[in-house]
Amino acid sequence: GNSVTQMEGPVTLSEEAFLTINCTYTATGYPSLFWYVQYPGEGLQLLLKATKADDKGSNKGFEATYRKETTSFHLEKGSVQVSDSAVYFCALRNNQGGKLIFGQGTELSVKP
Amino acid sequence: DVKVTQSSRYLVKRTGEKVFLECVQDMDHENMFWYRQDPGLGLRLIYFSYDVKMKEKGDIPEGYSVSREKKERFSLILESASTNQTSMYLCASSPRPTSGTYNEQFFGPGTRLTVL
Repeated sequence: GNSVTQMEGPVTLSEEAFLTINCTYTATGYPSLFWYVQYPGEGLQLLLKATKADDKGSNKGFEATYRKETTSFHLEKGSVQVSDSAVYFCALRNNQGGKLIFGQGTELSVKP
Repeated sequence: DVKVTQSSRYLVKRTGEKVFLECVQDMDHENMFWYRQDPGLGLRLIYFSYDVKMKEKGDIPEGYSVSREKKERFSLILESASTNQTSMYLCASSPRPTSGTYNEQFFGPGTRLTVL
């Protein structure tokens, strides 16, 4: 079946450090891939997406590239800020249906 | 802006009580979803609805039911709450997707339910 695996958190970084949060997936066909972010006390928000292989999603300085050969969609940011502290969820949507399959979430804490 | 609201941010109930969690969206979306969020497990889909009076089971429907009498409102019901239903519950909505496109799911702020 479809599944998403993320690196375990919490991840603690200093401000301006480089961020990578790993995400790999298992799916049939050609899923669409997403990163959602959940700031403290809030619901999830779509951060970026990619719908086909080699697509790069980007938003707010975050990037992720859909790598079919490695079944990965790692989230990166060159210089994190304290305001990036949140929980990040990788997700996939099989194009045969509308349901999202989420990873377990990775908590990021950025210290000044 | 799309707004998805949930009736309570925090709720404490006792084992065996019937619990109603309400979700309302103001963007005329066809699709609505209920998830639960648990540490280390991410979000898991409980039920979803593609239209009024329509419902489909998600991945973990046991112990839950839903009601969608109006397009904007989707209720999650715990018929007899148990301690293992202590969790964060998230509601989401999205427009009906057209072929080949993805319509973003918009989430409410969540209800943290504690069952004692």
